[in-house]
Amino acid sequence: DVKVTQSSRYLVKRTGEKVFLECVQDMDHENMFWYRQDPGLGLRLIYFSYDVKMKEKGDIPEGYSVSREKKERFSLILESASTNQTSMYLCAGGSGAGSYNSPLHFGNGTRLTVT
Amino acid sequence: GENVEQHPSTLSVQEGDSAVIKCTYSDSASNYFPWYKQELGKGPQLIIDIRSNVGEKKDQRIAVTLNKTAKHFSLHITETQPEDSAVYFCAAQRGSYIPTFGRGTSLIVHP
Repeated sequence: DVKVTQSSRYLVKRTGEKVFLECVQDMDHENMFWYRQDPGLGLRLIYFSYDVKMKEKGDIPEGYSVSREKKERFSLILESASTNQTSMYLCAGGSGAGSYNSPLHFGNGTRLTVT
Repeated sequence: GENVEQHPSTLSVQEGDSAVIKCTYSDSASNYFPWYKQELGKGPQLIIDIRSNVGEKKDQRIAVTLNKTAKHFSLHITETQPEDSAVYFCAAQRGSYIPTFGRGTSLIVHP
């Protein structure tokens, strides 16, 4: 069965800290995504990656960066955490351009609280 | 870009009733429409999907219908059970492009 694993279920960080959220997939998917989920706002795309060392901004990239050094790992970085970044963060993997009409596979999320 | 509207935001039903969640999309080139279920404490998981060359698809108590002309698609759950309680997301996707999600529907099934 396909699997996307997020290293932390819960994180509590202080304002101004540098925060790393880690995600690993075992599906050999080319595409990986980071979403933020807030009540009433649904799933908002932060960043995505089509390949190793490639990254593209999503709808809300401000305050975030990403790293993809290996195909299976996609990290979300909060350079200087702020309280408005308190949220649920979801990582997902998906097939690449050669695979039309395929769904995303999500991890179970990391709930980040910034105090 | 694509815009997906999902209604209602909250749906409360009695066990055994049917539940319907509706989505509309704006990009006529979208050709893949997955539905995801998110249970408490978990990430969204695919429950059913439909492609634009099909009008309806069923899987046990779950069905999805697609009206390409009107650009809307719906999720139907029959004989609801308490374990159907979750947040449901629709999405519209054009080939291998990034999906656009609706804002989600919180379904509550009362025993």
